[in-house]
Amino acid sequence: KAGVTQTPRYLIKTRGQQVTLSCSPISGHRSVSWYQQTPGQGLQFLFEYFSETQRNKGNFPGRFSGRQFSNSRSEMNVSTLELGDSALYLCASRELRHYEQYFGPGTRLTVT
Amino acid sequence: AQTVTQSQPEMSVQEAETVTLSCTYDTSESDYYLFWYKQPPSRQMILVIRQEAYKQQNATENRFSVNFQKAAKSFSLKISDSQLGDAAMYFCAYRSADSGGGADGLTFGKGTHLIIQP
Repeated sequence: KAGVTQTPRYLIKTRGQQVTLSCSPISGHRSVSWYQQTPGQGLQFLFEYFSETQRNKGNFPGRFSGRQFSNSRSEMNVSTLELGDSALYLCASRELRHYEQYFGPGTRLTVT
Repeated sequence: AQTVTQSQPEMSVQEAETVTLSCTYDTSESDYYLFWYKQPPSRQMILVIRQEAYKQQNATENRFSVNFQKAAKSFSLKISDSQLGDAAMYFCAYRSADSGGGADGLTFGKGTHLIIQP
């Protein structure tokens, strides 16, 4: 099976702009989660989706949002970008009956 | 809220030797899952091993094994016959097993940077 794919792999944006990141899960995986990884805060959970509904959400401001489509693909959006949003954004998928998550290669977002 | 602590920011081991990475966690839940993930310089997070809290038997995957001490809330990873390809950041992670997986998804430790000396 193909692994989790994320696009784009690298992105440079300016403060105040918005950005959309995309994630395609492993075939058959209906749950998609998003994580932010920074040197200072480490890995932090953003949100999880399955059945096109946000199920769980981490402690992030409302500027961070996401959605899931009927084919389980997911997008996350960050509006009004701040310098502190510069990070590696990781997407992970899992089968609903299992808890282990499989990660994509990440999207490196740089905000200038 | 659950917390995961990895007290060793960096570890170094000679190739072919054995190394143990430490992880402790704090939770009030009785049912949960624990994981070790590896993140090489490519930044791709790779699942190394998983442990269900209700299972007393320690998980093993080839050269990787865990020592799960539920009462002590300890979950260490042992890597036997270390290889150069094992060099990476290793993250310990916790996930609640309650319905919906809990509010926090995976909770990660800060990581241990493992160096393999040839």
